Amino acid sequence: DAGITQSPRYKITETGRQVTLMCHQTWSHSYMFWYRQDLGHGLRLIYYSAAADITDKGEVPDGYVVSRSKTENFPLTLESATRSQTSVYFCATRQGAHQPQHFGDGTRLSIL
Amino acid sequence: GENVEQHPSTLSVQEGDSAVIKCTYSDSASNYFPWYKQELGKRPQLIIDIRSNVGEKKDQRIAVTLNKTAKHFSLHITETQPEDSAVYFCAASTYNTDKLIFGTGTRLQVFP
Repeated sequence: DAGITQSPRYKITETGRQVTLMCHQTWSHSYMFWYRQDLGHGLRLIYYSAAADITDKGEVPDGYVVSRSKTENFPLTLESATRSQTSVYFCATRQGAHQPQHFGDGTRLSIL
Repeated sequence: GENVEQHPSTLSVQEGDSAVIKCTYSDSASNYFPWYKQELGKRPQLIIDIRSNVGEKKDQRIAVTLNKTAKHFSLHITETQPEDSAVYFCAASTYNTDKLIFGTGTRLQVFP
């Protein structure tokens, strides 16, 4: 949906570099999420946020940092990228608990 | 924490046949169960969801059933069509957490 914009769509970087993936929503949804998708593992939750300035860890948070200073933005930073972080990253939002959750188009990240 | 298992990992059916995908969950407090469809290279899209106060929900050719006692829920697709070919993910969350936990996905192939 146009309501969630992820950027960049594709990124290639080297190990040890810092990289930030952006997620912007226009719906003013309270909740925002970051997932990574790898073959055989489905969608695994990295971090999530219930509101501005509130973030919490998911299943696989190690090596990632998030912030949410504004409701509409939820950037995900890999402070020192490793090859194991090569993946497709999806941002998602929803209005409230147990409401439909919507995904962005994803960022395909390759770390060489 | 919650754990969701999904079977089968791949499923091939003839056009017009029915397809059934099953998921089990570990947390008896889980009460929201969405299903997502993901076409190749695209984002996951919500196709149907069910809450624990309902045993079955239908939407045209798709239906979801929930057995709270056995802690499993299933997706049923009738009169399958080639455009139903995709990866399907189940998920579960509890009322007192904000997180959706996903199964590992089922690749459905519908042959003409």
